[in-house]
Amino acid sequence: DADVTQTPRNRITKTGKRIMLECSQTKGHDRMYWYRQDPGLGLRLIYYSFDVKDINKGEISDGYSVSRQAQAKFSLSLESAIPNQTALYFCATSGIDYQETQYFGPGTRLLVL
Amino acid sequence: AQRVTQPEKLLSVFKGAPVELKCNYSYSGSPELFWYVQYSRQRLQLLLRHISRESIKGFTADLNKGETSFHLKKPFAQEEDSAMYYCALSKTQGGSEKLVFGKGMKLTVNP
Repeated sequence: DADVTQTPRNRITKTGKRIMLECSQTKGHDRMYWYRQDPGLGLRLIYYSFDVKDINKGEISDGYSVSRQAQAKFSLSLESAIPNQTALYFCATSGIDYQETQYFGPGTRLLVL
Repeated sequence: AQRVTQPEKLLSVFKGAPVELKCNYSYSGSPELFWYVQYSRQRLQLLLRHISRESIKGFTADLNKGETSFHLKKPFAQEEDSAMYYCALSKTQGGSEKLVFGKGMKLTVNP
């Protein structure tokens, strides 16, 4: 679904570096999410935002921060990357009804050396 | 605590065989349950959700509140069904709704 895009798609960085992953959506959704996917652990929620002024921690927010620059943009930052943050990161959006579908971006594959 | 359990990590079947991907949940309220699928090198996408009561790509899933299960079934698997499947539960927590995902299960359909 090209309505949700993520940049970069792949990134290799070194321990201690600051990294920003960006997500943009054209679906007009208020709600946006950041997940990480690890083999055997499934998807885990890092942060979520229900509107521009709303930011909430998910289950694994330590070591991460986010910024909701606009309705359409939600960025995830790793202030000081560490190797166990190596993972596939997904952004998602949804409408306001909790029954609604979440639409996922293509993912960003991050490798921290 | 709200939890989604997919007890099997891997399932391998031959084309034409029936498949059942198990999902159990723990939730004190009235859950909304979903199945998401991730095909190789593609993004995660919704397969079906229990409120729609629909069949997508031949898959169905019935919510069984007594057994707290939402198993995904297909009578005749196809090779293109090979993918990662995630069961998810939508919960409310202080007015904030979030999806909780299971750990996923990899389905391989062999020719």
